[in-house]
Amino acid sequence: GEEVAQTPKHLVRGEGQKAKLYCAPIKGHSYVFWYQQVLKNEFKFLISFQNENVFDETGMPKERFSAKCLPNSPCSLEIQATKLEDSAVYFCASSHGGNEQFFGPGTRLTVL
Amino acid sequence: GQSLEQPSEVTAVEGAIVQINCTYQTSGFYGLSWYQQHDGGAPTFLSYNALDGLEETGRFSSFLSRSDSYGYLLLQELQMKDSASYFCAVVTGFQKLVFGTGTRLLVSP
Repeated sequence: GEEVAQTPKHLVRGEGQKAKLYCAPIKGHSYVFWYQQVLKNEFKFLISFQNENVFDETGMPKERFSAKCLPNSPCSLEIQATKLEDSAVYFCASSHGGNEQFFGPGTRLTVL
Repeated sequence: GQSLEQPSEVTAVEGAIVQINCTYQTSGFYGLSWYQQHDGGAPTFLSYNALDGLEETGRFSSFLSRSDSYGYLLLQELQMKDSASYFCAVVTGFQKLVFGTGTRLLVSP
């Protein structure tokens, strides 16, 4: 597609439950990035992929967060055992390797 | 550590010119980008500077001084629709964006 698609738009989970977010990058873009934005403030980088390979995972809290980008499937970000502080908007972005990253509309995760 | 500082809020009137400053301290620097975000929606790319100097794109211009670790976004002929949050972001290794704290711009009639 011509836009980055993210599903679901909203996700509500009880503390300790699993959350899974999906991202379909723009067709032809080989890079995918995940960012977390808390309370409309600064964005925190989580992980990036070049095609199905992890490109940079320096921002991932590895004990509970995992992500994948498999061929012919949307990319996913999974949070095991969610905590209250995971409440945020998770943005996915894609690029073809240039300077511009194209962002999706985000998934708002609320952990109760 | 990595930090990018921006003013938290700027106000201006329609038709005016406003400058949003960004100072940064990061490990790894390839360039400085600016993104606009309306009301928590998808950030959209505005500009990118890799070299010192001014880049102009329509009503928006962006400036970078690498020696001063400083940049700014200049918005001219302000319109109501420019009311949004503006984020500077350093492009570091592996194309990772390290974002600033964001500046909320309020444009009044």
